[in-house]
Amino acid sequence: EAGVAQSPRYKIIEKRQSVAFWCNPISGHATLYWYQQILGQGPKLLIQFQNNGVVDDSQLPKDRFSAERLKGVDSTLKIQPAKLEDSAVYLCASSLDGRAGGYEQYFGPGTRLTVT
Amino acid sequence: KNQVEQSPQSLIILEGKNCTLQCNYTVSPFSNLRWYKQDTGRGPVSLTIMTFSENTKSNGRYTATLDADTKQSSLHITASQLSDSASYICVVAAGNTGKLIFGQGTTLQVKP
Repeated sequence: EAGVAQSPRYKIIEKRQSVAFWCNPISGHATLYWYQQILGQGPKLLIQFQNNGVVDDSQLPKDRFSAERLKGVDSTLKIQPAKLEDSAVYLCASSLDGRAGGYEQYFGPGTRLTVT
Repeated sequence: KNQVEQSPQSLIILEGKNCTLQCNYTVSPFSNLRWYKQDTGRGPVSLTIMTFSENTKSNGRYTATLDADTKQSSLHITASQLSDSASYICVVAAGNTGKLIFGQGTTLQVKP
């Protein structure tokens, strides 16, 4: 079974530039998550999708971050414009059904973003 | 406020030794508690998942315990190997929403 795929793996941009990350979840997984992980901290949920609908985006800085999952499969996360404090690893995860607490979440390798 | 706190923040041990990582949580309602291992440059990988009724679960050399009364969990690593060097994250799933509350992680370094 293929895992969660993410690209790119690394990205360096200057502040005020824009950047986009892509995620392909495990086939058949209805729930997709984007997390931000700052060095030395645990992941912080940015947004959770159930199929192509948003379940939770309470911690997404909506003035600069946006995410979509148009066909309920792949997802993109965009930052525009980037700030220095956005430097972090962006993790994508998926699960069969995130509405229940018992299903495992599978994480991708992450995209390491450096904003200079 | 739902919180998960881990200790120690970092730990260095010699290869072959055992170690125990701690996790305290204040998450309500509780669904399950998970321990993840995160290697440098990789996403977290699940080691164990425990529900309210389980107080011990093993995965090879990893053994997790859960005391739901005191809201504490521990992860014990036996006969450590160099490949155990990683960050270990305690995660609690809240209620029936599936929302995960992450601890900040314990960074373990195993030295030869």
